[in-house]
Amino acid sequence: DTGVSQDPRHKITKRGQNVTFRCDPISEHNRLYWYRQTLGQGPEFLTYFQNEAQLEKSRLLSDRFSAERPKGSFSTLEIQRTEQGDSAMYLCASSLALRGSDEQYFGPGTRLTVT
Amino acid sequence: DQQVKQNSPSLSVQEGRISILNCDYTNSMFDYFLWYKKYPAEGPTFLISISSIKDKNEDGRFTVFLNKSAKHLSLHIVPSQPGDSAVYFCAASALGAAGNKLTFGGGTRVLVKP
Repeated sequence: DTGVSQDPRHKITKRGQNVTFRCDPISEHNRLYWYRQTLGQGPEFLTYFQNEAQLEKSRLLSDRFSAERPKGSFSTLEIQRTEQGDSAMYLCASSLALRGSDEQYFGPGTRLTVT
Repeated sequence: DQQVKQNSPSLSVQEGRISILNCDYTNSMFDYFLWYKKYPAEGPTFLISISSIKDKNEDGRFTVFLNKSAKHLSLHIVPSQPGDSAVYFCAASALGAAGNKLTFGGGTRVLVKP
C-alpha cells in the first residue's frame, strides 16, 4: 500500500523547542496539503503545495510555522518555539487535482503534545 | 464563521438499519463536497464525493445527496454495519479556488449497535 505516510506518529516536546514533521504523499499526486485538528473539531487547512510551490497559507499559520516541499516530493512542517496551543494532530493529505474533482487522501497524522 | 456545520454531534443506529448524516453549508462558492470517516488515532479516510452538477452519487452502501438550493447534503449508509462506527466529517471546497482546500464540519460520531 503506497498511501500517504507521516513521521513521527507522536511527538512530545517542551514549550519553546522546535519540532519538524515529515509527510510523504502518494507518489503521482501533485498537490500536498497540511491540516491541523484539535479535539472535537474538524481538520483546519494550514497550507498547500502544487508540486514544489507553496501557493497558499492560512492565517492560522503564524510566522513560527514553515513548510517546504523540495523537488515536489515529500514535505516538512516545522514549528519553532512551540507553545502549548500548538498541541494538536497535524494531518497531511495529497491529491491529483483533476477537472471536476479533487479527492484528498490523508495520512495517519502526527500528534503533537507540547508540555 | 463556521461555513460547514454538522448539527448532530452523535448518532446511534441498529445494525442493518439506515444511518443518515446531515451537513449544512453557507458559502455559495462551494461546488465540491466530500465525506470522510475517521477512526481514533488515524487520519480521515475518503468515502465519497459529489460535484455540484449532480444531486446524488452512490458507491456501494454509501449514497450522498446534495440539495444546492437548501445548501444541504446528507450521507446515507445502508445497511449500517458495526465497522461503520466512527466519526464522519463532511467537507466542502470551491474547485479551482485556493487550491481546492477543504473546509470541514465538526463531525458526527456514529455508533452502530449489533
